[in-house]
Amino acid sequence: DVKVTQSSRYLVKRTGEKVFLECVQDMDHENMFWYRQDPGLGLRLIYFSYDVKMKEKGDIPEGYSVSREKKERFSLILESASTNQTSMYLCASSLLGAKGYTFGSGTRLTVV
Amino acid sequence: RKEVEQDPGPFNVPEGATVAFNCTYSNSASQSFFWYRQDCRKEPKLLMSVYSSGNEDGRFTAQLNRASQYISLLIRDSKLSDSATYLCVVNPRTGGFKTIFGAGTRLFVKA
Repeated sequence: DVKVTQSSRYLVKRTGEKVFLECVQDMDHENMFWYRQDPGLGLRLIYFSYDVKMKEKGDIPEGYSVSREKKERFSLILESASTNQTSMYLCASSLLGAKGYTFGSGTRLTVV
Repeated sequence: RKEVEQDPGPFNVPEGATVAFNCTYSNSASQSFFWYRQDCRKEPKLLMSVYSSGNEDGRFTAQLNRASQYISLLIRDSKLSDSATYLCVVNPRTGGFKTIFGAGTRLFVKA
């Protein structure tokens, strides 16, 4: 089975801190994604990457950046955390042209 | 109007009941459709793809109505373990990146 691993399950950070969320997949998938999930809003795409060093903005990229230096790793960076970035963050990966995503177990980030 | 809309529920049904969820989408050019299941405090997992001809997987049946721009999920003989949130997922094109997730429909199956 494809496994997508997110480095932290729960995280509490202070406003203004720089935050790194790490995601690693073990099945050589080309595509990787970062979503945030908020009640009533569903999953919203922050950034995605279809190859090493390639990145594309999703629907809500403001306040975030990403890094993909290796195929298996896709990092989400909150440059200066704010309270409105308190959310569940989900990483996903998929094969090129595949129909479904495999998600990591999520990181619940609280910014205080 | 949201691009993908679902009734948030919750749907409360007894074991053994049949329950159906609908989901509407706004982009008539959408190409691929899915249902995902998300358990409480867990990640979404692919339940099934939705094909134009409809498809069935055990107690689960998915249908697509392109003319009316909705997809449906029917669960027969509900089990306690079916309790979860069901996410409707629409992709503007097959294999594309702009997948859109609905906010989900919550289902509670009670003994």
